[in-house]
Amino acid sequence: AQSVTQLGSHVSVSEGALVLLRCNYSSSVPPYLFWYVQYPNQGLQLLLKYTSAATLVKGINGFEAEFKKSETSFHLTKPSAHMSDAAEYFCAVSGSGNTGKLIFGQGTTLQVKP
Amino acid sequence: DSGVTQTPKHLITATGQRVTLRCSPRSGDLSVYWYQQSLDQGLQFLIQYYNGEERAKGNILERFSAQQFPDLHSELNLSSLELGDSALYFCASSVSGQGVNEQFFGPGTRLTVL
Repeated sequence: AQSVTQLGSHVSVSEGALVLLRCNYSSSVPPYLFWYVQYPNQGLQLLLKYTSAATLVKGINGFEAEFKKSETSFHLTKPSAHMSDAAEYFCAVSGSGNTGKLIFGQGTTLQVKP
Repeated sequence: DSGVTQTPKHLITATGQRVTLRCSPRSGDLSVYWYQQSLDQGLQFLIQYYNGEERAKGNILERFSAQQFPDLHSELNLSSLELGDSALYFCASSVSGQGVNEQFFGPGTRLTVL
């Protein structure tokens, strides 16, 4: 069975500050991990994904995430927040089986203050 | 624009009714996924199809059914609707049905049951 836990349903940062969104996963098979962003009234857009090629993954809009197997974590970071980063962020896991179904965390709403 | 289209964008109906949500995947994608997003349950995987055949089933109620047609578009049928079925329903597609491939999400259909 697979699951994802996102620590903190709401995170607030100042513009220009570091963004850190936490994600821990549980998986009985080698996981594939994803971060998606959802802007208000829109669908989900992929930020980045981990598929075992490299533990540090770079994504769009300056985001990156590091896969740490020992900590079962896949935290999302961005060095400097922009106002346009305000959105809801979802961490998700899928497995190496014959299905690509995504198991999502509960989401973290990022607020960026001017 | 992800290339995944969903119709209708909004749907308002009454309890006990039946509705059909439609999804067209990106060109070349063989797999279609349906997800439900609600405030209390978050993002939940419902069902996956690959090239016309059911590949995986998640937390999908017996009142709900889906299919994928030969042209690869998919429909999600919701019947005997209840107030609790009010949610945002997303369709996603991927090139294969496996977990390593990213999924592209449509803009969603917002269902309101009155």
